[in-house]
Amino acid sequence: GAGVSQSPSNKVTEKGKDVELRCDPISGHTALYWYRQSLGQGLEFLIYFQGNSAPDKSGLPSDRFSAERTGGSVSTLTIQRTQQEDSAVYLCASSPNRAPGYTFGSGTRLTVV
Amino acid sequence: AQSVTQLDSQVPVFEEAPVELRCNYSSSVSVYLFWYVQYPNQGLQLLLKYLSGSTLVKGINGFEAEFNKSQTSFHLRKPSVHISDTAEYFCAVLISGGYQKVTFGIGTKLQVIP
Repeated sequence: GAGVSQSPSNKVTEKGKDVELRCDPISGHTALYWYRQSLGQGLEFLIYFQGNSAPDKSGLPSDRFSAERTGGSVSTLTIQRTQQEDSAVYLCASSPNRAPGYTFGSGTRLTVV
Repeated sequence: AQSVTQLDSQVPVFEEAPVELRCNYSSSVSVYLFWYVQYPNQGLQLLLKYLSGSTLVKGINGFEAEFNKSQTSFHLRKPSVHISDTAEYFCAVLISGGYQKVTFGIGTKLQVIP
């Protein structure tokens, strides 16, 4: 597609429920990233996928968070047993192989009530 | 590891006045530097980037930034701001030649006052 697409744009969920956030990167971009943006916290790196290499999961805050990328394209970020502190905007970005700079999606605003 | 410091969390400025948003970075190796803008309820959009060459980089919407290696700074400037420039601005750094995990600053909210 022309840009990075994220869905849903907004998600309200009850504490303890699981949620899935989807990212569809720019066609041909080999690298895909997830960041979390909490109020007043800047952008927190979560996970990075590059081609068929093992992902860098060093930013995932707990084992309730996981992500996968199928076929080197679409990625899903899953949060299990959501907590109120998981409320944030989850941003996905992609980039061409070894080319500096990201293109971001519009994000998914997650609210855990 | 690299890090980014944005010294001002909020910057109010009158319309048509100049503005400078400050950014300092820390890295033991050479870096690429970026400024991103985030308008309300939107994702981040690349304003400009420094990869190599001229230290003065021009971006979209009339913004420019200057890379100063000795002061490890990459301040963003605009000579005359508009109401539409009201947004949050993020400075970011990436180790040159490394893989693509960009480190972001905490952001500066620019509030343009009519």
